[in-house]
Amino acid sequence: DAGVIQSPRHEVTEMGQEVTLRCKPISGHDYLFWYRQTMMRGLELLIYFNNNVPIDDSGMPEDRFSAKMPNASFSTLKIQPSEPRDSAVYFCASTTHRGQGLLGYTFGSGTRLTVV
Amino acid sequence: QQPVQSPQAVILREGEDAVINCSSSKALYSVHWYRQKHGEAPVFLMILLKGGEQKGHEKISASFNEKKQQSSLYLTASQLSYSGTYFCGTESRETSYDKVIFGPGTSLSVIP
Repeated sequence: DAGVIQSPRHEVTEMGQEVTLRCKPISGHDYLFWYRQTMMRGLELLIYFNNNVPIDDSGMPEDRFSAKMPNASFSTLKIQPSEPRDSAVYFCASTTHRGQGLLGYTFGSGTRLTVV
Repeated sequence: QQPVQSPQAVILREGEDAVINCSSSKALYSVHWYRQKHGEAPVFLMILLKGGEQKGHEKISASFNEKKQQSSLYLTASQLSYSGTYFCGTESRETSYDKVIFGPGTSLSVIP
């Protein structure tokens, strides 16, 4: 398996522009998570999906952020309009359940977003 | 609520041992441990599900005290490759079972 695939690896954009981050989870994994990592705030959970349905989006910073999972093999995280404070590394992770709880997460390589 | 990790940072010489602690104010269902090297994604090490359970990964092992809501990661005979930031992640019985909240991380540096 190729693992969790994220694109792009790096994104530099101007303030006010729309940014779309993409993720392909591991085949067979029914949980998908979006995390944001910064030095100040560490790894923050933004939103997660189970069987393509958003379960908990309480970590989404504000209405500028939205996420979708149209099918089991693809998810997007969109920021519109982007702001400099959105600069961070965004990770996608996937896993599945084994009856007694979640298995370990497999993280994608991340997207380093810089908003100037 | 985010779990607490200690210490924040530790420097070891090759061959020395270290312990990283993780604690939560919430009743825990499971504890995950991950290692992240600079510029890379976190990598899963192990998960502990039962109170008192211990697991091992190479020369890295962990324990989980469900009653105290604590977990400890033990690194023995450290190698240069152990350097990185170690995160614990907790699943709580008091919130959704299906998400892991990560601690702030412990930076581990192993020097020759």
